[in-house]
Amino acid sequence: KAGVTQTPRYLIKTRGQQVTLSCSPISGHRSVSWYQQTPGQGLQFLFEYFSETQRNKGNFPGRFSGRQFSNSRSEMNVSTLELGDSALYLCASSLAGAGTEAFFGQGTRLTVV
Amino acid sequence: QKEVEQDPGPLSVPEGAIVSLNCTYSNSAFQYFMWYRQYSRKGPELLMYTYSSGNKEDGRFTAQVDKSSKYISLFIRDSQPSDSATYLCAMKRSYQKVTFGIGTKLQVIP
Repeated sequence: KAGVTQTPRYLIKTRGQQVTLSCSPISGHRSVSWYQQTPGQGLQFLFEYFSETQRNKGNFPGRFSGRQFSNSRSEMNVSTLELGDSALYLCASSLAGAGTEAFFGQGTRLTVV
Repeated sequence: QKEVEQDPGPLSVPEGAIVSLNCTYSNSAFQYFMWYRQYSRKGPELLMYTYSSGNKEDGRFTAQVDKSSKYISLFIRDSQPSDSATYLCAMKRSYQKVTFGIGTKLQVIP
């Protein structure tokens, strides 16, 4: 059974640009969550999508957005990149029950220069 | 104050030692408790998953949840150098986001 796939694995962008990250969940999983991981803050929740609808949202500015497609694949977009957006962006998928386990991808490491 | 507190370490132990990792939390509504292991440059890997209070054992790993004290623990018996990683505690309410601790960096020295 394939795991969670995130693409690309590495990205280097310039301040002011925008970026789109992709996540393919485990087959049959309908919930996709996105997290930002930095050394100082740890894993910070960005948002969760279930059946193409945003179900939960973290405390990030509107520059961070996402969407989910009918096949459960999800994309995350960051506009007007800032140096502080440099981080490991992780996607997790789950079956979407009340407390089902979340399984993570390998992440996309974004560097903003 | 953070919802979930976890000592970032680093924690260094000799091979074969029993390792104890802990987290405290402030939100009494948390129902599901998890431990993840994260190797350098990898995504977190789910190790243990428990609902409500009690103990759960899986091989060399034991997870404990004490909801009355808002305290969770992960014990690793007979620790191995391959256990060297960052261990993240995590918890959630039904249908809500997962909240993570900062992670404890563990080094098991041969």
